[in-house]
Amino acid sequence: DVQMTQSPSSLSASVGDRVTITCRASQGISNYLAWYQQKPGKVPDLLIYAASTLQSGVPSRFSGSGSGTDFTLTISSLQPEDVATYYCQKYNSAPFTFGPGTKVDIK
Amino acid sequence: QEQLVQSGSELKKPGASVKVSCKASGYSFTSYAVNWVRQAPGQGLEWMGWINTKTGNPTYAQGFTGRFVFSLDTSVSTAYLQISSLKAEDTAVYYCARRPAALDYWGQGTLVTVSS
Repeated sequence: DVQMTQSPSSLSASVGDRVTITCRASQGISNYLAWYQQKPGKVPDLLIYAASTLQSGVPSRFSGSGSGTDFTLTISSLQPEDVATYYCQKYNSAPFTFGPGTKVDIK
Repeated sequence: QEQLVQSGSELKKPGASVKVSCKASGYSFTSYAVNWVRQAPGQGLEWMGWINTKTGNPTYAQGFTGRFVFSLDTSVSTAYLQISSLKAEDTAVYYCARRPAALDYWGQGTLVTVSS
């Protein structure tokens, strides 16, 4: 099965900073990659699908890129409401494995 | 609007069974697969598997075979997760989610606590 890894596992940044999270698949998955945001105590929310397509209603400061095995999620200007754990997930074929998550907080 | 509403929290003893429901509304239930995701306390998201809502055919991830059963009642647009022979390590929040491709709508989660 394809394994998903994320880096870093956690980060602390200032409001307004540009934040980048990396997700890597152990085998190529084309662009079948989604990103989710899970705020503390809340249900996960779909942010990005097809590696770079923003889900409706998601702020434009979020963006995604990549294809094959290497993907990134970028927050262009970190806001206090972005404090959350971010997960990537492959969905080209089962199992639709999640990455281990990246916890983002404010410095 | 599209919505998935799950059944309430459960407290069960080891060895018992539990059945979690996930009722869909606001869209055609059989048009999208239902996936199940587990989140143990303080841990990440774990994909458990999915059920084809047209055929009822389930697919289970490794680690979720045997004691875990996905089922449907399409007459009431509801998917079910049944877990038998519960263990303490099954304590978690269980989510259902709709999957057209990625998981776009999620239920609110059901906390299952297994404790003697």
